[in-house]
Amino acid sequence: EDKVVQSPLSLVVHEGDTVTLNCSYEVTNFRSLLWYKQEKKAPTFLFMLTSSGIEKKSGRLSSILDKKELSSILNITATQTGDSAIYLCVLQGAQKLVFGQGTRLTINP
Amino acid sequence: DGGITQSPKYLFRKEGQNVTLSCEQNLNHDAMYWYRQDPGQGLRLIYYSQIVNDFQKGDIAEGYSVSREKKESFPLTVTSAQKNPTAFYLCASSPSLAAYNEQFFGPGTRLTVL
Repeated sequence: EDKVVQSPLSLVVHEGDTVTLNCSYEVTNFRSLLWYKQEKKAPTFLFMLTSSGIEKKSGRLSSILDKKELSSILNITATQTGDSAIYLCVLQGAQKLVFGQGTRLTINP
Repeated sequence: DGGITQSPKYLFRKEGQNVTLSCEQNLNHDAMYWYRQDPGQGLRLIYYSQIVNDFQKGDIAEGYSVSREKKESFPLTVTSAQKNPTAFYLCASSPSLAAYNEQFFGPGTRLTVL
């Protein structure tokens, strides 16, 4: 059964800290791994990862996939209060999107 | 068999024309979604609907319109106002918006503007 597990489930840090969010997965037909940010509506796309070892970067956010370890990490440096959200790791399989439980990130000023 | 169907599979449009992409599901899901996928990019949310007669804009709603008159159907119209409509369009559904964690999606429609 396809599965996505994220950790930690919840994280509270101070503004300016760096955080690392983890995602591990099991899938029969891997197509891509997606990271989304969810605030008050349906998720907003951040990154798509298909190849191992290639870092994707957007501003203070970066992510990398390790197909050997079946995992991915999402890094956020110099966090800001606007980064507070649920971060979702999503597996795109053959005909399904499987979302992880999400990591609830809270940034305190 | 339960599932999501999209039609047509391939669609060609001349500039300035509106086109409507069909999405039907028989999974009895309340929530439905439209995504656009461009080469090398992930799915970007265009519109979503959590219940009949209700829909909300996603991240890239400009140039698109939707309707949700029936639970089973969530058609997407690509209007002439959409500047770069050539893309692969995926429709998805989930039991509810809160249960977005497992979305089933259809086979997609590839739209090409000539």
